[in-house]
Amino acid sequence: AQSVTQPDIHITVSEGASLELRCNYSYGATPYLFWYVQSPGQGLQLLLKYFSGDTLVQGIKGFEAEFKRSQSSFNLRKPSVHWSDAAEYFCAVGKFSSNTGNQFYFGTGTSLTVIP
Amino acid sequence: EPEVTQTPSHQVTQMGQEVILRCVPISNHLYFYWYRQILGQKVEFLVSFYNNEISEKSEIFDDQFSVERPDGSNFTLKIRSTKLEDSAMYFCASSEGSGFPVETQYFGPGTRLLVL
Repeated sequence: AQSVTQPDIHITVSEGASLELRCNYSYGATPYLFWYVQSPGQGLQLLLKYFSGDTLVQGIKGFEAEFKRSQSSFNLRKPSVHWSDAAEYFCAVGKFSSNTGNQFYFGTGTSLTVIP
Repeated sequence: EPEVTQTPSHQVTQMGQEVILRCVPISNHLYFYWYRQILGQKVEFLVSFYNNEISEKSEIFDDQFSVERPDGSNFTLKIRSTKLEDSAMYFCASSEGSGFPVETQYFGPGTRLLVL
C-alpha cells in the first residue's frame, strides 16, 4: 500500500538558515511525488513535482527537492529561508489507475516556523 | 492565475445537522476531488468525481456523504447527519485530467468544519 511519512511535525529555523524537510514514501511502482505548501488561510499550493528524469527538481520560491529511490525519500530543501516561508508543508505521492484515475496520498505535514 | 475557491471558510454545526460545503473548481478542469484533514492527521482522500459521477471513493465516504455538481461551476460535498468525528478541514481540488502519469491537482483553501 502506498503511504507517505513526514517524520518532523514541527521545525523552527532562523531566517537566512538552510532548510530540509523530510519525506519518505512507500509505493510499489514508480512514484510521482509532490510537495505542497499551505500558508494560513490559503489553499495547498504546488511547490514542485517529480515524475522522472533528473532526480533534483527545482520548484517555485527557491525550493528544490531530491528524489532518492534507494532511500525512498523526496526531501525538500531551501538554501536560505525567508520569514514568508513559514507555513505547513505537505508531501504527497500520486497514483495512476487506469480504472479510476489519479489519487493522491499525503503525509501529515510539517509546520515550519521562521524566527528572525 | 485561476484558483479553486471554497465557501464557507469556517462552519460550525450541531451534531445531526446537514452541512453543504461548496467549491468552485478551476473552470477548464474536468476532475474534482474532496479530501479531509482531521486535526493532527494526514490529508485523506474522500472522493473523486468526473462526468457527473463518482469515479472513486474511499472507505471514509459512506452513505452520510454525497457530492454533486449542481451547475456548471459549483461542486458540493454534503454531509447528511454530521457526527463529532466529521470535524475536520475539508479540501476541494480539481485537475485538468486524470491520466498517466499523474495530473497535478490544484487545491482550494479548505473549509474548517466543527461539529458540536
